[in-house]
Amino acid sequence: EAGVAQSPRYKIIEKRQSVAFWCNPISGHATLYWYQQILGQGPKLLIQFQNNGVVDDSQLPKDRFSAERLKGVDSTLKIQPAKLEDSAVYLCASSPISSETQYFGPGTRLLVL
Amino acid sequence: KNQVEQSPQSLIILEGKNCTLQCNYTVSPFSNLRWYKQDTGRGPVSLTIMTFSENTKSNGRYTATLDADTKQSSLHITASQLSDSASYICVVSTGNAGNMLTFGGGTRLMVKP
Repeated sequence: EAGVAQSPRYKIIEKRQSVAFWCNPISGHATLYWYQQILGQGPKLLIQFQNNGVVDDSQLPKDRFSAERLKGVDSTLKIQPAKLEDSAVYLCASSPISSETQYFGPGTRLLVL
Repeated sequence: KNQVEQSPQSLIILEGKNCTLQCNYTVSPFSNLRWYKQDTGRGPVSLTIMTFSENTKSNGRYTATLDADTKQSSLHITASQLSDSASYICVVSTGNAGNMLTFGGGTRLMVKP
């Protein structure tokens, strides 16, 4: 079974630039999550989708972060404009609708200079 | 405020030795507790999951314990191997549906030959 796919794996940008990350969840998983993991810390939930609807985006900095899952399958997370403190690993996870177990992708490591 | 605290922050042990990682939580209502292993540059992978009524659960050389009264959990690694070098993250599920996760900051384990 293919796992959660994310791209790119690494991205280096300058502050005030824009960046987008892509996630393709495990086939059939209705729930998709985006997390931000700063070095040395545990992941922090940014947004949770169920199919193409947003379940929780309370910790998403909406002035600069946006995410969408238009067709209820893959998802994109965008940062515009980026700040130095956005440097982190952005993890995508998915889970079946009846399960609490989340399956994580490899993450996208972002460095903002 | 829901919190998950892990200790130690980092740990170095020799190959073949045992170690125990700690997790204390203040989360309500409690649904379940998971331990994840996160290799460098990869997403977290679930090791164990325990509900309120479970005291211990094993997965190979990994044994997790849960004391719901004191709100403490531990992850014991037996006969450590070099491949055990990773971050270990304690995650507690809250909410009536168990779908709100609170992540600990992780313990970074290094196993030396």
